[in-house]
Amino acid sequence: DSGVTQTPKHLITATGQRVTLRCSPRSGDLSVYWYQQSLDQGLQFLIHYYNGEERAKGNILERFSAQQFPDLHSELNLSSLELGDSALYFCASNFHSTGNTEAFFGQGTRLTVV
Amino acid sequence: EDQVTQSPEALRLQEGESSSLNCSYTVSGLRGLFWYRQDPGKGPEFLFTLYSAGEEKEKERLKATLTKKESFLHITAPKPEDSATYLCAVQANGGSNYKLTFGKGTLLTVNP
Repeated sequence: DSGVTQTPKHLITATGQRVTLRCSPRSGDLSVYWYQQSLDQGLQFLIHYYNGEERAKGNILERFSAQQFPDLHSELNLSSLELGDSALYFCASNFHSTGNTEAFFGQGTRLTVV
Repeated sequence: EDQVTQSPEALRLQEGESSSLNCSYTVSGLRGLFWYRQDPGKGPEFLFTLYSAGEEKEKERLKATLTKKESFLHITAPKPEDSATYLCAVQANGGSNYKLTFGKGTLLTVNP
């Protein structure tokens, strides 16, 4: 168990809908990263939050947004869903101020858009 | 742009048959190179971090090494439970974003 909790584990929704994925980082970790994993693309970085502030964006679509709350949990919002958004979405956390920058991943949310 | 290429894409071994997985990378400045193990439907599980060329780390049957252009994950006398996808990732220097750039992984199957 990595200590990173993601909910829900599975989500099935229709095209055009909006969903919210939730991530609770490891206790003490200030950084949260979101990644998307599809069969053909592998793990792709989406966005990074540190202590409530957005730090970097990767290959994140404009239909997607995220935020990190004062209690450090994070939510990834996906809207106007398309079939191609079906993927595994992972959250990872670390506390890089310690100098150890390895990230610990949650078990993921499997999103299926039908 | 940071890039990571892993080879082979898939590897099938007999139990006890040692081998190596390769990770080639290009990055503007390497902060760290990471190896993860991923089981089907699960999140990546952290294995090793390597920071500088010449560094080596070991854990049970796994040993990771690093040069200026690539990393190897050596698997000695593997067991069926070592079957998984092994992911390599790099982290670049500079800024405060510690994002990982991943390769597509090597799917390892160890037959009993």
